[in-house]
Amino acid sequence: EVQLVESGGGLVQPGGSLRLSCAASGFTFSSYWMSWVRQAPGKGLEWVANIKQDGSEKYYVDSVKGRFTISRDNAKNSLYLQMNSLRAEDTAVYYCARPIFAAQYQDYYGMDVWGQGTTVTVSS
Amino acid sequence: DIQMTQSPSTLSASVGDRVTITCRASQSISSWLAWYQQKPGKAPKLLIYKASSLESGVPSRFSGSGSGTEFTLTISSLQPDDFATYYCQQYNSYSRALTFGGGTKVEIK
Repeated sequence: EVQLVESGGGLVQPGGSLRLSCAASGFTFSSYWMSWVRQAPGKGLEWVANIKQDGSEKYYVDSVKGRFTISRDNAKNSLYLQMNSLRAEDTAVYYCARPIFAAQYQDYYGMDVWGQGTTVTVSS
Repeated sequence: DIQMTQSPSTLSASVGDRVTITCRASQSISSWLAWYQQKPGKAPKLLIYKASSLESGVPSRFSGSGSGTEFTLTISSLQPDDFATYYCQQYNSYSRALTFGGGTKVEIK
């Protein structure tokens, strides 16, 4: 069964750090781009970051650039999101997801596999 | 950055109704648009990709159309399981960024 399982969420003070993990199973993890998507309480979905199969390319939404770092360990079938300088507006459920790209990242076919999400709360 | 505007934000409908949700992009995105369904407390589910291609396992009552800047998701005959929030998502191959629309909540009338 294709599965993504997030962990690492919790309560953190403003300015603090947190590292999220996503364990992948049931597919060849190293063959796929991976993403993080978040959803603030009662709000819509927001794409956060993407990482290429070998980790050589990374892309971020402007609001997290310089604060968040996406990474992966293909040997462990794991995706990570290091979050630094956290703000109250980073409070959200964070999902890892599998986006489908083709043709040298020119074509996009949606995010076909999602985890159940992990909750991050930034509050004093 | 490309902005995605969904309308309506809320839609009240009855079982059996034909429902249409619109997503407009602030500039052309070709056909790199996806639609998702999300139920409370659950992860989103991919319904449509490349504007009009039905994801495997998704009922045929769901369909997508459009290109350029205007896209629609249609549910031909609304079923009880379809009451949920729907999101469009665009991909910009120049900036390599993804953007979701604000969402449309489909409620029971």
